[in-house]
Amino acid sequence: EDQVTQSPEALRLQEGESSSLNCSYTVSGLRGLFWYRQDPGKGPEFLFTLYSAGEEKEKERLKATLTKKESFLHITAPKPEDSATYLCAVGGGGADGLTFGKGTHLIIQP
Amino acid sequence: DSGVTQTPKHLITATGQRVTLRCSPRSGDLSVYWYQQSLDQGLQFLIQYYNGEERAKGNILERFSAQQFPDLHSELNLSSLELGDSALYFCASSDGTGGYNSPLHFGNGTRLTVT
Repeated sequence: EDQVTQSPEALRLQEGESSSLNCSYTVSGLRGLFWYRQDPGKGPEFLFTLYSAGEEKEKERLKATLTKKESFLHITAPKPEDSATYLCAVGGGGADGLTFGKGTHLIIQP
Repeated sequence: DSGVTQTPKHLITATGQRVTLRCSPRSGDLSVYWYQQSLDQGLQFLIQYYNGEERAKGNILERFSAQQFPDLHSELNLSSLELGDSALYFCASSDGTGGYNSPLHFGNGTRLTVT
């Protein structure tokens, strides 16, 4: 069974204070690792897809990296508008549905 | 705006009742996915349809069923509702069959409260 564990559950940072969110996964045959952002009362918003170890993707202040066992979402010099819950998901095995972690609730204080 | 529309936004009903949730995918997307999100379980995959046909099943209860119509909109039917069915139900769509080469785009969900 595919499993995704995200840490920390919650993270509070000062504006400009860089950090990283972790996503550890167990999957039989990784077909893709996905990062989403979810704002309160909204559906998850797609950020990145990573397919193989060593791959990196960047978007504004966010950079996602992938190893064989985990992925990191690095946030550089965050702003208050980066506050959200960040979700990690994997696709693998025989099922087509993604397996999501429970997310990291990120708060950026001005 | 993801382009995925879900109605209604909120639904309050009693135990034992039946409800229908509706989803219109992004224009051109053939795949529709249903997910349940609760505080303790996170996002759980329920079921996927591709161009009208069921393609994959996740942790969907027998009391729940779904279908995708010729115009590609989808409905999720929940029956014999229990208190534990209270959750956010999300619909997502993609233009592929498996969602790996094309990401899932989520609607803003239907919040179901069973009293």
